Amino acid sequence: DSGVTQTPKHLITATGQRVTLRCSPRSGDLSVYWYQQSLDQGLQFLIQYYNGEERAKGNILERFSAQQFPDLHSELNLSSLELGDSALYFCASSPTATSEAEAFFGQGTRLTVV
Amino acid sequence: DQQVKQNSPSLSVQEGRISILNCDYTNSMFDYFLWYKKYPAEGPTFLISISSIKDKNEDGRFTVFLNKSAKHLSLHIVPSQPGDSAVYFCAALSLAGGTSYGKLTFGQGTILTVHP
Repeated sequence: DSGVTQTPKHLITATGQRVTLRCSPRSGDLSVYWYQQSLDQGLQFLIQYYNGEERAKGNILERFSAQQFPDLHSELNLSSLELGDSALYFCASSPTATSEAEAFFGQGTRLTVV
Repeated sequence: DQQVKQNSPSLSVQEGRISILNCDYTNSMFDYFLWYKKYPAEGPTFLISISSIKDKNEDGRFTVFLNKSAKHLSLHIVPSQPGDSAVYFCAALSLAGGTSYGKLTFGQGTILTVHP
């Protein structure tokens, strides 16, 4: 158990819909990272939040957004979903803004868009 | 633009033998390299890392080698055990400025199967 909790574990939704993925970081960790793993792809960095503020941005689509709340949990919002958005979405957390190498990963949310 | 590549989607090895997983990268600005192991239905877990100023790091059965001139790293597992069967991701990190600051860049992963 990494201490990072992601909900839900599985999600099936139709194209055009909007979903929210939730991540609770390890106790004491201030940074949250979101990654997407599509079929045959490595993990693609989407976005990082540190202590409530956006810290770094990767290959995140404009249809996607994220936020980190005062209690440090984070949500990834995916809208106008397309079939190609089907993927595993991982959240990771680490203690500081620059400790990504020490990040622990959650179990992931498997999103299926039909 | 795939900056970190694992060209072998899968590797099959006999128990007790050596497993060698390879990874190539294109960005010479990477400072730090990591290997992660991922079991089904679990998130990736950190395995071993190496700084760009070193060429070898060893931790028990796991050794990572870095060849900076070839922009190549490899993970050696000796001896391989059935419990090592998993997906292995290599990742690289650049601590340079800009929006990529602190961003881990992952390879596509290699599925390792260790047969008893």
